[in-house]
Amino acid sequence: AQSVTQLGSHVSVSEGALVLLRCNYSSSVPPYLFWYVQYPNQGLQLLLKYTSAATLVKGINGFEAEFKKSETSFHLTKPSAHMSDAAEYFCAVSERSGGYQKVTFGIGTKLQVIP
Amino acid sequence: DAGVTQSPTHLIKTRGQQVTLRCSPKSGHDTVSWYQQALGQGPQFIFQYYEEEERQRGNFPDRFSGHQFPNYSSELNVNALLLGDSALYLCASSLWTGGSNEQFFGPGTRLTVL
Repeated sequence: AQSVTQLGSHVSVSEGALVLLRCNYSSSVPPYLFWYVQYPNQGLQLLLKYTSAATLVKGINGFEAEFKKSETSFHLTKPSAHMSDAAEYFCAVSERSGGYQKVTFGIGTKLQVIP
Repeated sequence: DAGVTQSPTHLIKTRGQQVTLRCSPKSGHDTVSWYQQALGQGPQFIFQYYEEEERQRGNFPDRFSGHQFPNYSSELNVNALLLGDSALYLCASSLWTGGSNEQFFGPGTRLTVL
């Protein structure tokens, strides 16, 4: 069964500092991996996705993530935090099982950016 | 190109009542999934519809039911509402044949049960 673990439910960084949000996954088959962002009272917006092509994936708003199979990780990074990055971030894993694609989300990491 | 739309935006009900939430998928998508997101939690999968049939179901009681129409839009029905059903309900659309199952989310319906 697939699962996602996001380490750190709350992360605080200073404006301009590196953002690192951690995600580890468990999957019995090669997975597809996603990062979504959710602003208050809004739905989820796709930041980036890993679909077994390049292991370093670039997304919107300057975010990127690296797929590391040996570590079963898919951490999200951004070199320099901006105030507008304050939001909640969700890591998700999708795998095909029994003919169906199943998506499982982590519990989320709330990012606070300090001016 | 319209994205995923949901209605209503907010809803207040009392315990025991029934509610219907609606979703229109992104143009070109044929699969709709519903999620429940309680405060401070990640989205929890309720069920998924394709070709007007429920294809997958998460760990939710039968009080949660759904429907998909020929135009791919979908409804989520919840009967005998409980206080614990208060949450943001998210609809996501995708392509059934899409290899990665990339999902596009609507803005959600905030349900409050009093």
